[in-house]
Amino acid sequence: NAGVTQTPKFRVLKTGQSMTLLCAQDMNHEYMYWYRQDPGMGLRLIHYSVGEGTTAKGEVPDGYNVSRLKKQNFLLGLESAAPSQTSVYFCASSYVGQPPGTDTQYFGPGTRLTVL
Amino acid sequence: AQSVTQLGSHVSVSEGALVLLRCNYSSSVPPYLFWYVQYPNQGLQLLLKYTSAATLVKGINGFEAEFKKSETSFHLTKPSAHMSDAAEYFCAVTPIYNTDKLIFGTGTRLQVFP
Repeated sequence: NAGVTQTPKFRVLKTGQSMTLLCAQDMNHEYMYWYRQDPGMGLRLIHYSVGEGTTAKGEVPDGYNVSRLKKQNFLLGLESAAPSQTSVYFCASSYVGQPPGTDTQYFGPGTRLTVL
Repeated sequence: AQSVTQLGSHVSVSEGALVLLRCNYSSSVPPYLFWYVQYPNQGLQLLLKYTSAATLVKGINGFEAEFKKSETSFHLTKPSAHMSDAAEYFCAVTPIYNTDKLIFGTGTRLQVFP
């Protein structure tokens, strides 16, 4: 099992460009998440999905869009990149915990994005 | 809003010394609590979690944490630090208003000196 994979690993964009980050998991998990990690701020949730075809906003959703067309994939889009979106992006997935809220999240290796 | 506070963004210990990383949560109802570790240039992985079954929780690599309701704390400890423990550690909580997600603390970077 590959677990959670992220594509690409690194990317440099110019302000105003668009891109899509791809997250894939092979564990048949229902839930998937996108986080950004910035120094001194921990991980902040951008968007998440509780199942195929569903998405929901997290703490910092502005400037990002997501789609979950297939259960195993969760895409994060930046329509018009800004320097403030320079960050390390992590995808995670989890099963439905019993009781709810006790599930372990499994993380990908991250994508380092720089916006010039 | 429910949150966790990690005291100390950096902690340094000598190899073989006690490791103590602090986490306090804000909630009137005991939440579910987690510790994750991030090694350099990697994603996070679960160390241990508190799900109300036992207040002393043992995790991987010799780490453990004790849930103390009276102190609203969930501190992470390891009796004897190893060089390989150098990493960033994150405390996290499941909000009672939405069990679909985690709220992470700001992290504590642990340095281990020989």
